Amino acid sequence: EDKVVQSPLSLVVHEGDTVTLNCSYEVTNFRSLLWYKQEKKAPTFLFMLTSSGIEKKSGRLSSILDKKELFSILNITATQTGDSAVYLCAVEILNYGGSQGNLIFGKGTKLSVKP
Amino acid sequence: NAGVTQTPKFQVLKTGQSMTLQCAQDMNHEYMSWYRQDPGMGLRLIHYSVGAGITDQGEVPNGYNVSRSTTEDFPLRLLSAAPSQTSVYFCASSYTDRGTEAFFGQGTRLTVV
Repeated sequence: EDKVVQSPLSLVVHEGDTVTLNCSYEVTNFRSLLWYKQEKKAPTFLFMLTSSGIEKKSGRLSSILDKKELFSILNITATQTGDSAVYLCAVEILNYGGSQGNLIFGKGTKLSVKP
Repeated sequence: NAGVTQTPKFQVLKTGQSMTLQCAQDMNHEYMSWYRQDPGMGLRLIHYSVGAGITDQGEVPNGYNVSRSTTEDFPLRLLSAAPSQTSVYFCASSYTDRGTEAFFGQGTRLTVV
C-alpha cells in the first residue's frame, strides 16, 4: 500500500527559529514529491522535487529529496507568524499507461509560529 | 484567469439527500481529481479523470459518482448523503504529460446532518 508519512504532526516555534519538516514515503511508480502550504483554504504549491540531492529554494523556504532513502525535508529559516499553516507533503505516482499520476498525501504538519 | 472554481463553498444536507458539487477549470488541464479532507487524515483521493470520458476510482470512492463530459468540468455527485460524508472537498487539476503541480479549488465545506 502506498503511504506518505509526515513528522512531526504539529510544531510550535517562536519567530526567528528555523524548522525542519520531514516527509518519508513508500510508493510504487514514484514520479515526483510536492510540498504544499495550507492556510484557511486551498493548498498552495511550494515545491516539486523529482531528482535526488538538488535543493529547491524560494526565499526562506528550501526543500530537498533523497530518492535512495525515500524522504524529503522542508526547511524554513527565520520563521515569521505568517508561516503558520499546515504543510502538506504529497507524492505523485504514475497511474496506468504511465500518464499523470495521483497524489498520495501525508497527514500534514501543523506549524504554529508565536511572536 | 479563474483557475479551478468550486461551487458551492458551503452546504448543509440532510441524511439521504443527494447533491452535486461543481468543479470547473479554465487551464485546459487533462487531469482532474476530487479529494476529501478530514481532521487528522490529510487529503484522500475520491475519484479522478485523465481526460473527457475517462474516470477512475481513488482511495475512497464509495458513495460518490463522477463524470467527465468536457475537459473543463468534473462534477462530484453524492447519491445519498450520510453523516460520514461530512468533510471539506477539494477539486484539483493539472496537466498529464508533464510534471506540474496540481491546482486546487477553494474547497466545499459539506455538513450532513
